[in-house]
Amino acid sequence: NAGVTQTPKFQVLKTGQSMTLQCAQDMNHEYMSWYRQDPGMGLRLIHYSVGAGITDQGEVPNGYNVSRSTTEDFPLRLLSAAPSQTSVYFCASSYTTGGIGELFFGEGSRLTVL
Amino acid sequence: GQQLNQSPQSMFIQEGEDVSMNCTSSSIFNTWLWYKQDPGEGPVLLIALYKAGELTSNGRLTAQFGITRKDSFLNISASIPSDVGIYFCAGQLMDMEYGNKLVFGAGTILRVKS
Repeated sequence: NAGVTQTPKFQVLKTGQSMTLQCAQDMNHEYMSWYRQDPGMGLRLIHYSVGAGITDQGEVPNGYNVSRSTTEDFPLRLLSAAPSQTSVYFCASSYTTGGIGELFFGEGSRLTVL
Repeated sequence: GQQLNQSPQSMFIQEGEDVSMNCTSSSIFNTWLWYKQDPGEGPVLLIALYKAGELTSNGRLTAQFGITRKDSFLNISASIPSDVGIYFCAGQLMDMEYGNKLVFGAGTILRVKS
């Protein structure tokens, strides 16, 4: 079982460039989400989706876009990268029945913006 | 907004020692979860707690859902070197604006005493 797959694992961008972090899950999970992890700040929710065609903003959505055209895929787009977006990004998914808490995480995408 | 205070921020362990960490909040949660993150990987769910007062074990790990629903602790007995990593608590609640909401603590870093 692949679980949650994120690509790329590492990326370096210049300020102003755009890019898409890919996330795919093969567990037929309804709920998918993107987090960023920064030292000492835990995991902060960027955007989430409770099903295909439905997305919503989390705690730190500015500078990011998402879409959910299929159950399996939930890409995260950086529109115009800024150094403040240097972080490790995690995609996570779960069944929505009973709550969203039992998340399965991908391995992470480490992004550096110069 | 809701915040989780996780402590300690970091600790050193010697093989065989028992370890204890906790999360507290001023908010009431309906689920508490504990995750572990190994270096270079995504967090993995260790234990999920769904009822106030619940005490659950997973091997050498024991976690409790506080009776006030505002706190939780995680104990690791007889620690071994592979216990090192970052441990995150997470609380889930029903938010009037966002629906089901998951809040993460900042993490406890476990290191090996040399």
